[in-house]
Amino acid sequence: AQSVTQPDIHITVSEGASLELRCNYSYGATPYLFWYVQSPGQGLQLLLKYFSGDTLVQGIKGFEAEFKRSQSSFNLRKPSVHWSDAAEYFCAVGTSNFGNEKLTFGTGTRLTIIP
Amino acid sequence: EAGVAQSPRYKIIEKRQSVAFWCNPISGHATLYWYQQILGQGPKLLIQFQNNGVVDDSQLPKDRFSAERLKGVDSTLKIQPAKLEDSAVYLCASSSARAREQFFGPGTRLTVL
Repeated sequence: AQSVTQPDIHITVSEGASLELRCNYSYGATPYLFWYVQSPGQGLQLLLKYFSGDTLVQGIKGFEAEFKRSQSSFNLRKPSVHWSDAAEYFCAVGTSNFGNEKLTFGTGTRLTIIP
Repeated sequence: EAGVAQSPRYKIIEKRQSVAFWCNPISGHATLYWYQQILGQGPKLLIQFQNNGVVDDSQLPKDRFSAERLKGVDSTLKIQPAKLEDSAVYLCASSSARAREQFFGPGTRLTVL
């Protein structure tokens, strides 16, 4: 069975600083990896996804993530955070990429931005 | 394109009462999911439908939870009777082979007193 670990429960960064959120996964087959963001009272919005090919994936809102198979990681990065990036971030691993995948989510990382 | 719609947005009930949530997926999306998100945790899949058939309900507590998707479009999730530990946000999502991602609704926040 697949699993996802997000080791950081809460991260605080200053506005304009760089950001890296960690994600490690466990899955026996080819992983399909996702990062979602959840603002308070909102549903989840997809930031980016990795299915195959280039291991550096660009997403919306200036986010990117790098897939490292040797480390079973899919860390999310942003060079300069904005106050509007404050939210909860979830990493997920999926079992397929055909639109009917079963997603397993991590426990999330809450991001706080200080002025 | 309209997103995934859910209602109600909030519900407060007492334990042992029953409650139902409704979800309308994005038009044309064959796959529909219900997730439970307990405070401080990531979403956990409860049930997955492909059109109006169940693909996976292995984590659905079937003694109290039930779900249906009539005509392969709208879906309802019911809890009867509710327990305190059912307090959570219930998220509905839909996807299609063309979209290759899940789109989430705003969720229903359930509080069981």
